[in-house]
Amino acid sequence: DAGVIQSPRHEVTEMGQEVTLRCKPISGHDYLFWYRQTMMRGLELLIYFNNNVPIDDSGMPEDRFSAKMPNASFSTLKIQPSEPRDSAVYFCASTKGGNTDTQYFGPGTRLTVL
Amino acid sequence: KNQVEQSPQSLIILEGKNCTLQCNYTVSPFSNLRWYKQDTGRGPVSLTIMTFSENTKSNGRYTATLDADTKQSSLHITASQLSDSASYICVVSYNDMRFGAGTRLTVKP
Repeated sequence: DAGVIQSPRHEVTEMGQEVTLRCKPISGHDYLFWYRQTMMRGLELLIYFNNNVPIDDSGMPEDRFSAKMPNASFSTLKIQPSEPRDSAVYFCASTKGGNTDTQYFGPGTRLTVL
Repeated sequence: KNQVEQSPQSLIILEGKNCTLQCNYTVSPFSNLRWYKQDTGRGPVSLTIMTFSENTKSNGRYTATLDADTKQSSLHITASQLSDSASYICVVSYNDMRFGAGTRLTVKP
């Protein structure tokens, strides 16, 4: 298996623009997680899905952030409009069995908002 | 206040030496505690997962211990290698996840 795939790997955009990050989980994994990592705040869980359904989005910072999972093999995290403080590395991870199973992380998307 | 505190913030050791990283938490109750290794520029990789009833879990040269009474966990690395240079993150979960800030380990030749 190719592991968790994220695209793009790097994104540079200007403040106010819409940004869409993409994730393909490992086939057969029922859970998908979106994380954000910054030097200041470390790793933070934004939202996670089980069988394509959002279960907990309490980590989503504000209404500018939205996430979807239209099918078992694809998820998006959208920021609209983007702000400089959104600059971070965004990771997607997947797992088969939820909270007690090993999570497999993607390589991340480094987002820079100018 | 972060409910998961890791120490030290950073650590430098010589290749071949052992080291121990600490994780103290106040999350209660909790369902599991994880240790991750994160190489620079890459996503975290799971090392160990322990439920509240487990005391120890090993993964090769990595051994994690858990004392649920004192709410402390440690990650012991034996015979360190240059490739162990990374950040190590402790995560405590119940209904949500609480992340430590990580320990930056550098192994020097």
